[in-house]
Parts: sequence; C-alpha cells; structure tokens
Amino acid sequence: AQSVSQHNHHVILSEAASLELGCNYSYGGTVNLFWYVQYPGQHLQLLLKYFSGDPLVKGIKGFEAEFIKSKFSFNLRKPSVQWSDTAEYFCAVNARYGNNRLAFGKGNQVVVIP
Amino acid sequence: DAMVIQNPRYQVTQFGKPVTLSCSQTLNHNVMYWYQQKSSQAPKLLFHYYDKDFNNEADTPDNFQSRRPNTSFCFLDIRSPGLGDAAMYLCATSRDSLNTEAFFGQGTRLTVV
Repeated sequence: AQSVSQHNHHVILSEAASLELGCNYSYGGTVNLFWYVQYPGQHLQLLLKYFSGDPLVKGIKGFEAEFIKSKFSFNLRKPSVQWSDTAEYFCAVNARYGNNRLAFGKGNQVVVIP
Repeated sequence: DAMVIQNPRYQVTQFGKPVTLSCSQTLNHNVMYWYQQKSSQAPKLLFHYYDKDFNNEADTPDNFQSRRPNTSFCFLDIRSPGLGDAAMYLCATSRDSLNTEAFFGQGTRLTVV
C-alpha cells in the first residue's frame, strides 16, 4: 500500500513570498502523483498531476511540482504567492497499475497574509 | 457547475441512529469513491464502486455500508454511528479505474451527538 508524508502542517507566509511544500511517498512500484487544493468552504480541486513524461509539472494558478524518483518526492512550488492561495494543500498518490485508489497526505494548511 | 454533489453539507445524528449520506454526479463516471476525513488527518478511502462492483477497503468497519443504485448516485450508510465516526465524508468520482484524476464533492460534515 502507498503512504504519503507531508511536513509542516501549518505554513504562514506573506504575499509575494515563495512557497514550497514537501511531499514524500512510499511505494515500491510505479505511481501517479497529484496535488489537490481545498479553498475555504470549497471542495478538493486538482492543482496538478504527474502520470509520466517531463518530471516538472505545471499546474493551475502558477503552481508547479517536480517528481524526483530517486527521492520519492513530489514537492509543490509557487514563486510568489497571493492572498487567494490561502487554502489546504494535499499531496496524493496512487499505483499506476492499480485501481486508482488515492492515498493522501495529511495536508498543509497555508495562510497567506496580505 | 457542480459535478459531484453531496447532500447534506452538514448532518447531525444521534449516537446509534442510522444515517445516510448521499452523493450524485453529472459526469457519467464509472467509478465512485467514499473517503472519510477526520480532523487534521488525511482522507482515508472507505470503499469504491467500479460501475456496480463494490470494493471494500480491508480496514473499513462493518458499520459502514454503501449502495449505488445507478451510475449517478451513491449512498453511504452508517448503521450505528459512534462518536468516533464524526468526520467529513468525501465523495469522489473518476472516469475509469486507471490513471485518471478524481473529482470531489464538497463533503458532508457528520456530527454525532
């Protein structure tokens, strides 16, 4: 079974600061990787995903993530955050040849101060 | 437009009183999932349906059941809710069971009193 670790559950930063959220997974096989975002009062939305190809993935709203296979990592980055990026961010993984069942990390609560 | 709709958004039930949460989708996706998310924890998969085939996670308590009467609807039944079942319940869908993204509803927050 897959497992996902996200550290620094609460992150507070000012507008225009850079954001990086770490995600590490454990699984012996090939995986698909996802970052989901949940804005206050809203549903989980897909931010970006990696299935194969270029390990640097660009998502919506200026986010990107890099898959480093040797480190079992899929860290999320944004060079300059905005107040509207205040949300909870979840990293998730599933087995490429499994049945699409997602394993989630505990999430990062990000607060951007104007 | 909402594509995965969960009702109600908030549900209060009494200890031991059966409760049903509902989920509907307009995406015509084959797969529907139910996740449980407790405070400050990761969402945890309870079970999923691939079409009409039910797949239970090994550690999902027997107290939790599910029904999928048609493609659009899926229900989560909690037969005898305990205080430990208070959580956010998330419904999700995916087009297929391999290598596709999941779409989530807004969730139902269940309180057990």
